[in-house]
Amino acid sequence: KAGVTQTPRYLIKTRGQQVTLSCSPISGHRSVSWYQQTPGQGLQFLFEYFSETQRNKGNFPGRFSGRQFSNSRSEMNVSTLELGDSALYLCASTRTGATGELFFGEGSRLTVL
Amino acid sequence: AQSVSQHNHHVILSEAASLELGCNYSYGGTVNLFWYVQYPGQHLQLLLKYFSGDPLVKGIKGFEAEFIKSKFSFNLRKPSVQWSDTAEYFCAVGNQGGKLIFGQGTELSVKP
Repeated sequence: KAGVTQTPRYLIKTRGQQVTLSCSPISGHRSVSWYQQTPGQGLQFLFEYFSETQRNKGNFPGRFSGRQFSNSRSEMNVSTLELGDSALYLCASTRTGATGELFFGEGSRLTVL
Repeated sequence: AQSVSQHNHHVILSEAASLELGCNYSYGGTVNLFWYVQYPGQHLQLLLKYFSGDPLVKGIKGFEAEFIKSKFSFNLRKPSVQWSDTAEYFCAVGNQGGKLIFGQGTELSVKP
């Protein structure tokens, strides 16, 4: 069974640009969550999508957005990038009803210059 | 606001030593508690979870954790660590689908 796949794995952007990250969940998992991981703030929840609807949202500015498609694949977008957005962005999928039992991908490492 | 606190940032042990990593949480409602582990070069994975029932839960690779409600704690233990246990360990709390509040993590280094 394939795991959670995130693309791209690494990317470099400059301030003001926007970026889109992609996540393919484990087959059959309908919930996809996104997290930001930084050395200073640790792992912080961004948002969760279930059946194409945002189910939970963290405390991030509106520059951070996401969506989910009918095949459960998800994308997150960050607009008007700031230096502080440099981080590892992790996607995780969950079986329906399996609260908190997350299967993580390897992440997309974003560097903003 | 919910929060999770892990007492130790970096723990260094020799093989065969016993391990206990502290975790305290701040949350007023029903709690589901988790420990996740990230081995070097690998993705985060679930180590064990507590939802209800027996407060002593067992996970993979010989790890266990004890939920003490009166202390708002969920400490991770292992009687005898191995070099392969070198990793970063994260405590987390959550009861809303995929939304978890993570602690800052504890880096464990096991010396052979």
